[in-house]
Amino acid sequence: ILNVEQSPQSLHVQEGDSTNFTCSFPSSNFYALHWYRWETAKSPEALFVMTLNGDEKKKGRISATLNTKEGYSYLYIKGSQPEDSATYLCAFPPNTGNQFYFGTGTSLTVIP
Amino acid sequence: DGGITQSPKYLFRKEGQNVTLSCEQNLNHDAMYWYRQDPGQGLRLIYYSQIVNDFQKGDIAEGYSVSREKKESFPLTVTSAQKNPTAFYLCASSLRPRGMMAEAFFGQGTRLTVV
Repeated sequence: ILNVEQSPQSLHVQEGDSTNFTCSFPSSNFYALHWYRWETAKSPEALFVMTLNGDEKKKGRISATLNTKEGYSYLYIKGSQPEDSATYLCAFPPNTGNQFYFGTGTSLTVIP
Repeated sequence: DGGITQSPKYLFRKEGQNVTLSCEQNLNHDAMYWYRQDPGQGLRLIYYSQIVNDFQKGDIAEGYSVSREKKESFPLTVTSAQKNPTAFYLCASSLRPRGMMAEAFFGQGTRLTVV
């Protein structure tokens, strides 16, 4: 079982604030790193799939970076909006298997 | 619309009973997965299947069984051997079983409570 850690566990920010969270994963056996957004009462949805060291991906106000050598990825949200409130999960599929290892998630609440 | 459908959304089971959770997808995905979520823990893999009539145990398979008779269906049976079955169960699928760059698609989950 691989250890994938996310921090912080939860976060409350004011509308308009920018924020970021971290996903740490084993730097060996790297294959890809996934970010998912999970809104309450909905299904998790993919945000990014990142594969290369130094990768930066962006979707609207949300962006992510990847450092495979040190084993971490950052997710950034610029100008948070209430609709950004969700749990953000990262998932690490090592190159030695066929499964995803998930972090415990960061729960973001954006206060209007 | 393509997607994954899990049913039921809520399920109550008496101790000692087996119960089956349904997961159906119309995305034509090869790989399907069952995860369990407990408070304060990440999603943990119960079983996965890469192809029809084949499936593999995940990290917490004890007390569970699955079948994959059709590409679109991957039901999970929670047996009486599962000591602590109360949890949230999430089904997922992805397009390429060995290509883990393919994003996973998820159902909305089933919350199972043992009464």
